[in-house]
Amino acid sequence: DIVMTQSPDSLAVSLGERATISCKSSQSVFSSSSNTNNLAWYQQKPGQPPRMLIYWASTRESGVPDRFSGSGSGTDFTLTISSLQPEDVAVYYCHQYYTTRTFGQGTKVEIK
Amino acid sequence: EVQLVESGGDLVQPGGSLRLSCTASGFTFNAYTMHWVRQAPGKGLECVSSISTNGGSTYYADSVKGRFTISRDNSRNTLYLQMSSLRPEDTAVYYCVTSTTGGPFGPWGQGTLVTVSS
Repeated sequence: DIVMTQSPDSLAVSLGERATISCKSSQSVFSSSSNTNNLAWYQQKPGQPPRMLIYWASTRESGVPDRFSGSGSGTDFTLTISSLQPEDVAVYYCHQYYTTRTFGQGTKVEIK
Repeated sequence: EVQLVESGGDLVQPGGSLRLSCTASGFTFNAYTMHWVRQAPGKGLECVSSISTNGGSTYYADSVKGRFTISRDNSRNTLYLQMSSLRPEDTAVYYCVTSTTGGPFGPWGQGTLVTVSS
């Protein structure tokens, strides 16, 4: 199985500041046949199921604020929240769907 | 509107069995791969089982292989997870999730809680 490793495990950012989460995969999740990186990002708030923010590494899901962006390719990916808002306090997970589906361990984002 | 409603979660003793169901609506159920993803209390996410559109192909995580069986009834728009030989470490919220074949997870249900304890 592909191991997904996120860093940091937790992050405290001031309101309006940038938050950056890294996700590294143990092997590439790039599909040459479809020219896509099979990587998604999810946000989970307490008591709720995960909500997809980004898929194909950088495509924002409909309805997701444009302060959320995804980047990266191959084995190294980043989720950026450009200006942290109170409603962004949550745990964020990366997820690869290139092979047997696996998730990162999660990154908890809080307000400083 | 896509809806996935899980049911069947309960408190069960170690070694016991349980069947989870997920009733789907708002989309063409038989066109989507379906998955069960679980989350132990305070922990991360684990995809424990998946089933192809026609049920002909299944996947099980090593942690549940030989104990859990996934199935679907496309005529009833329902996904199932038969769980047996349950262990305390199976305690989790179990989510029903869709995806296109080879695509990202789509909508998630609200989950159903399975507690394995004596």
